[in-house]
Amino acid sequence: KAGVTQTPRYLIKTRGQQVTLSCSPISGHRSVSWYQQTPGQGLQFLFEYFSETQRNKGNFPGRFSGRQFSNSRSEMNVSTLELGDSALYLCASSSVGANTEAFFGQGTRLTVV
Amino acid sequence: DQQVKQNSPSLSVQEGRISILNCDYTNSMFDYFLWYKKYPAEGPTFLISISSIKDKNEDGRFTVFLNKSAKHLSLHIVPSQPGDSAVYFCAASASGSARQLTFGSGTQLTVLP
Repeated sequence: KAGVTQTPRYLIKTRGQQVTLSCSPISGHRSVSWYQQTPGQGLQFLFEYFSETQRNKGNFPGRFSGRQFSNSRSEMNVSTLELGDSALYLCASSSVGANTEAFFGQGTRLTVV
Repeated sequence: DQQVKQNSPSLSVQEGRISILNCDYTNSMFDYFLWYKKYPAEGPTFLISISSIKDKNEDGRFTVFLNKSAKHLSLHIVPSQPGDSAVYFCAASASGSARQLTFGSGTQLTVLP
């Protein structure tokens, strides 16, 4: 069974630009969550999508957005990039139900210059 | 406001001995807890979880203990192996599932041969 796939693995963008990251969850998983990892703030929850709807959102500005498609693949978008957005962005997929586990992709390393 | 805290940034243990990683939480709504292991530039890998209705869960060399009254959990690794060297994250959820996780800051475990 294929794992969670994130593309691209590395990205360099300039301040003010926007970026789109992609995540393909494990087959059959309908929940996709996004996390940001930085040295200062650790791993922080961005948002979760389930059945093409955003179900939960973390404490991030509106520049961070996402969507989920009917095949459960998800994208996240960051507009008007700032230097502080440089981070490892991780996607996790899980099945529904209690006592599940989240499977993480390898992440996208975004560097804003 | 850190709702999940791992107060030890690092821990060194001799191969074959027990490793004990600790985690404290403040949100009494958390009802599901997970431990993840992470190598640099990779996504976290699930290790073990525990529901708040239990106080112990074992899986091979890994055991997680939960003390709800103290809002404390710990991960025991016995025996420790050099391949266990990684950053360990404690995570908590208030949904009974892994769909929206709050992570601790991590503990770097080094197992010395």
